[in-house]
Amino acid sequence: DTEVTQTPKHLVMGMTNKKSLKCEQHMGHRAMYWYKQKAKKPPELMFVYSYEKLSINESVPSRFSPECPNSSLLNLHLHALQPEDSALYLCASSQGGGSGYTFGSGTRLTVV
Amino acid sequence: GENVEQHPSTLSVQEGDSAVIKCTYSDSASNYFPWYKQELGKGPQLIIDIRSNVGEKKDQRIAVTLNKTAKHFSLHITETQPEDSAVYFCAASILYTGANSKLTFGKGITLSVRP
Repeated sequence: DTEVTQTPKHLVMGMTNKKSLKCEQHMGHRAMYWYKQKAKKPPELMFVYSYEKLSINESVPSRFSPECPNSSLLNLHLHALQPEDSALYLCASSQGGGSGYTFGSGTRLTVV
Repeated sequence: GENVEQHPSTLSVQEGDSAVIKCTYSDSASNYFPWYKQELGKGPQLIIDIRSNVGEKKDQRIAVTLNKTAKHFSLHITETQPEDSAVYFCAASILYTGANSKLTFGKGITLSVRP
């Protein structure tokens, strides 16, 4: 299995809702990432998990809360989002040594 | 932090011609340089990558070159086909301790291949 699977593919949520994005990989990768991508822009790093521990937080607002339950799973919990948080949220994983990044297809999030 | 510049922002070529996309990076500690193709509604797909200890790598119609001294790397696509039309991102990665690393993307280029 050489894929990163993200669910759901699409999500519409209100500003008072709580929702979660899920990501799963079975490649044995020890690092997992959340990226945010706005239209016609490159992906921007949000969080890095290394060996199931949060190692990099790119000053992301607290309304985004990541969680890594085990080496194969990565969640992103969403609460009290703003319309400007609407974007494509991408999960990725990588081998050790800073290479071999594989991206999922993303969750298209719309905040209304 | 790392800064990756990508030029041009759009490129249009005739089917069968070659396309070259260039990127520069700022941090000499970067040691891994992947190229991604992103089609509409999909996540970025790795098409080729190169490590800092290699100057050139080729995979069928796609090749990447790296000049560490000048801090620039390029993607070469030969015999372009309409299905090559997509957004292409270059990126650079810095390895930290353990599995820590950080991938920084260029702004992307929209490649259009005219039939």
